Amino acid sequence: QSALTQPASVSGSPGQSITISCTGTSSDVGSDNLVSWYQQHPGKAPKLMIYEGSKRPSGVSNRFSGSKSGKTASLTISGLQAEDEADYYCCSYASSFTWVFGGGTKLTVL
Amino acid sequence: EVQLVESGGGVVRPGGSLRLSCAASGFTFDDYGMSWVRQAPGKGLEWVSGINWHGGGTGYADSVKGRFTISRDNAKNSLYLQMNSLRAEDAALYHCARADHVAFDYWGQGILVTVSS
Repeated sequence: QSALTQPASVSGSPGQSITISCTGTSSDVGSDNLVSWYQQHPGKAPKLMIYEGSKRPSGVSNRFSGSKSGKTASLTISGLQAEDEADYYCCSYASSFTWVFGGGTKLTVL
Repeated sequence: EVQLVESGGGVVRPGGSLRLSCAASGFTFDDYGMSWVRQAPGKGLEWVSGINWHGGGTGYADSVKGRFTISRDNAKNSLYLQMNSLRAEDAALYHCARADHVAFDYWGQGILVTVSS
């Protein structure tokens, strides 16, 4: 159960697009559509932003999109806004009712 | 409205035990798997344990295997985490989360566990 690998930080200016990567193994990220992404503002509970790799829950802005290539999943945020500044975590179902999170990425909106 | 409310946290000595509870409301509890996810102060999210809708399937992170036990009581719409042999590194905010297939779509606000002598 090794944590998924995410960059510690990314930054962008308002209106720009950024991408956060999440690298795992063939048993988790590389296997089927098992990746979800969460946004967490300071002092708040995490919020589901993307599930099954690329699907958005109702109410989540279409500025957020997910994709996958091989063992690497990605979260792209387009048209950056100040309120997007937060920590972002990827997560993958692994097997036998176990999950693994990434280390988290701090997004700074310049 | 889906609500998940954790309780049972507190201060415990190393080697001690604690039982966390999560009261669920606003949805059909036994339609969903559930999990516990923790976050140490200033650190990232760590999945701890999960259980399927009827309790017959469970999973644990390697860091807690053999010390923590997850369970549920569908009649009481409640999820539990029995934590034994607690260590300093178990200190964290513990969230319960609803699993919709392979994603966690609703989270509780969390309950704090402090392990200190």
